[in-house]
Amino acid sequence: GESVGLHLPTLSVQEGDNSIINCAYSNSASDYFIWYKQESGKGPQFIIDIRSNMDKRQGQRVTVLLNKTVKHLSLQIAATQPGDSAVYFCAERTAAGNKLTFGGGTRVLVKP
Amino acid sequence: GAGVSQTPSNKVTEKGKYVELRCDPISGHTALYWYRQSLGQGPEFLIYFQGTGAADDSGLPNDRFFAVRPEGSVSTLKIQRTERGDSAVYLCASRETSGILNTGELFFGEGSRLTVL
Repeated sequence: GESVGLHLPTLSVQEGDNSIINCAYSNSASDYFIWYKQESGKGPQFIIDIRSNMDKRQGQRVTVLLNKTVKHLSLQIAATQPGDSAVYFCAERTAAGNKLTFGGGTRVLVKP
Repeated sequence: GAGVSQTPSNKVTEKGKYVELRCDPISGHTALYWYRQSLGQGPEFLIYFQGTGAADDSGLPNDRFFAVRPEGSVSTLKIQRTERGDSAVYLCASRETSGILNTGELFFGEGSRLTVL
């Protein structure tokens, strides 16, 4: 999702349900993508990454899907827990560059 | 240290003053990055060091911003004649750039929150 000023898009999910967070990236030359989780007052924390030669990658309770045709990235969180409440950012990197460019973020609120 | 360390964690200053923010990266990480994050936004790239040299400073907003990494480890971000619009969280990150540990992942510190009154 894209942020609009202070109003982050928010996903409210019931504890135990699955969450899907979407991200549209901008550069077709990007070859590496990464999802970060950021809790209030803390720095971004790595969740999972994927290279452009893959369509899917799974971690512990998380799956990242990459659709290069439409430049779309998604993060799926299985059995969402209260500790998953945070802001989630996708980021992309081009083969020629060494920096990550971040998207606007999505806030996930887990309801007990 | 175990992670990226940033000091100070909070800095309040007056418009026009000079500010220095320090970053101590993960030991052995050759690449160091500075990002700026405004409320409700994703981190915005400022500058990237490979060793002692600034490999990419295209994100620095103007010449009031400057960063150094003289010995290839600790870095200092310097902001001259601060303006209210400089208020943000300044994040530092580091990365290993060689061998099997070169995964592309940036390891972030907790940030330095700068408030310009």
